[in-house]
Amino acid sequence: DVKVTQSSRYLVKRTGEKVFLECVQDMDHENMFWYRQDPGLGLRLIYFSYDVKMKEKGDIPEGYSVSREKKERFSLILESASTNQTSMYLCASSASGQGNYSPLHFGNGTRLTVT
Amino acid sequence: AQSVTQPDIHITVSEGASLELRCNYSYGATPYLFWYVQSPGQGLQLLLKYFSGDTLVQGIKGFEAEFKRSQSSFNLRKPSVHWSDAAEYFCAVFNQAGTALIFGKGTTLSVSS
Repeated sequence: DVKVTQSSRYLVKRTGEKVFLECVQDMDHENMFWYRQDPGLGLRLIYFSYDVKMKEKGDIPEGYSVSREKKERFSLILESASTNQTSMYLCASSASGQGNYSPLHFGNGTRLTVT
Repeated sequence: AQSVTQPDIHITVSEGASLELRCNYSYGATPYLFWYVQSPGQGLQLLLKYFSGDTLVQGIKGFEAEFKRSQSSFNLRKPSVHWSDAAEYFCAVFNQAGTALIFGKGTTLSVSS
């Protein structure tokens, strides 16, 4: 069974801090994703990656960056956290490369509060 | 651009009653459609998917969904709801490049006894 692990379930940070959200998958998936989930807005794609050291912007990349140095790990970075980045962050992975339409497998999420 | 609409924000169903959650999509070609469920405090779990072929697809936990191209719909159904089905449900479609899923805003299901 695919396992996507997000290192923190809850995180509280101060405005202006640099924040790292970590995600690891154990199924050798090529694709990894970061979504943000807010009430009434559903899930919105921040960044995704097809391969190591590759990244693509999603719908709402502003204020975020990502890092993928190893295939199994995909990190989301908030360079200078702001209160409007308080949200639930969901990591996902999927098999195969671009255009193969494989289902996404999700982690349990990290609820980030920025005060 | 592709989009997904879930018209119902919140639905309450009596335990044992049937359920239908609505999903409409906007997509130029044959869509790749999914339903996910999210229990409180959890990530999303895949219920079922439609890629092609039979328009009625079966999923886990007794759920099914029917693809209707003429109505651009992919509604989720269950004949008899259990209290454990209370959760948030998301419909999603792959974007045209096949690079990522586009989600609807979700429908919260409450089950009354």
